[in-house]
Formats: sequence, structure tokens, C-alpha cells
Amino acid sequence: GAGVSQSPSNKVTEKGKDVELRCDPISGHTALYWYRQSLGQGLEFLIYFQGNSAPDKSGLPSDRFSAERTGGSVSTLTIQRTQQEDSAVYLCASSPRGDYGYTFGSGTRLTVV
Amino acid sequence: KQEVTQIPAALSVPEGENLVLNCSFTDSAIYNLQWFRQDPGKGLTSLLLIQSSQREQTSGRLNASLDKSSGRSTLYIAASQPGDSATYLCASCSNDYKLSFGAGTTVTVRA
Repeated sequence: GAGVSQSPSNKVTEKGKDVELRCDPISGHTALYWYRQSLGQGLEFLIYFQGNSAPDKSGLPSDRFSAERTGGSVSTLTIQRTQQEDSAVYLCASSPRGDYGYTFGSGTRLTVV
Repeated sequence: KQEVTQIPAALSVPEGENLVLNCSFTDSAIYNLQWFRQDPGKGLTSLLLIQSSQREQTSGRLNASLDKSSGRSTLYIAASQPGDSATYLCASCSNDYKLSFGAGTTVTVRA
């Protein structure tokens, strides 16, 4: 597609429920990133996929968070047993390769009530 | 760990003034530095990408410079317009291919 697509754009969930956030990167981009932006906070790195290499998960805040990337394209970020502190905007970005600029999606605004 | 600082945190100018936004980073071993714009409630829009071998990039009224040795980048916006009101973020790409973001500069251009 023309840009990075994220769905849903907004998600309200009850505390304790699991959620899945989806990212469709730009076709052909081998690098895919997830970042989180909490209210009034900066952007926090979560996870990085590069081609078929093992992902860099060093930014995931807890084992309730996981992500996968199927077929080197679409990625899903899963948050299990959501907590109120998980409320944030989750942003996905892709790049032709890791060192050549990033295109961000519009984000998914997650609200845990 | 890369630390990125943006100064000032907020800026308010009358329409027509030139804007100067500063970004500093602690680790000069970067692949590139990218400037983004974020409108309220929106994602990030890429403005300019400067590779580590470059000194500056220009796009229309925007010009960004990069001085790796001093760990600084500056974004200049000429002849500001109310539509330039947004938060501007700089981000450095380190050797581990992760972006480190500054906290941003929120710009208000008064008509």
C-alpha cells in the first residue's frame, strides 16, 4: 500500500482483556517497528523486526506483551490481561531497511477501562 | 544509551517569523537523524531524513542540518504559517537500528 496501515484506529477494552493491534507495513519494507506513546510521554521503543532475523524484543515492558510478523509483512502486537497503564497510542513504522528512514502509521489509541 | 534532547519544549511565534528548533544527542555513532511532525491525536509525518554522511537536507521551507561531531541537529522553518503549528520530533537511528526520540518541541504560529 501507499503507507503504513494500522487497525483498529481506536480500541477501548476492559481491564484484564486481551487485545490485538495490527500493522500493515509498506510493501517491500523489511524492517518493522512498534513504539508506544503514553499521554504526555515520549515515544518508547517496543520491538523491531528485520527480515527473517530474530526480533529485538528488548523494549517490551512485560511478558504480557508479544508481537509477531507473519510472512515478513503484517505484524500483530498482542497485549494480554491489559492494565490501565497500557493505555497509550501504539505506533507502527516500517523502513526499506533499518537504517534508511521510517514511515509511521497513524497509530492505534488503546484505552483500558 | 542514546539520549536525545530538544530545546525549546515549546515555542510561540507570530506568522512570518523563522523558526529554529534544536536537537542534541549524546552518541554520535548514528546512521541517520530524522525530523517528524505530529499533529494532535495523529501519527508521525516524516519531514526530513539526514544520513550520517550528510550535513543538511532541504525541502521547501524546511532545512535541517546535522553536526555529528557535536551531536546536534537544527530544523529551520522559514516564513512560518499557522499551518506549521504542531509538535516537532527529532529521532536518531543508532547502530542497533532503533530510533531514539526527543520529547519534542510544540510550535504555535499565531496568525
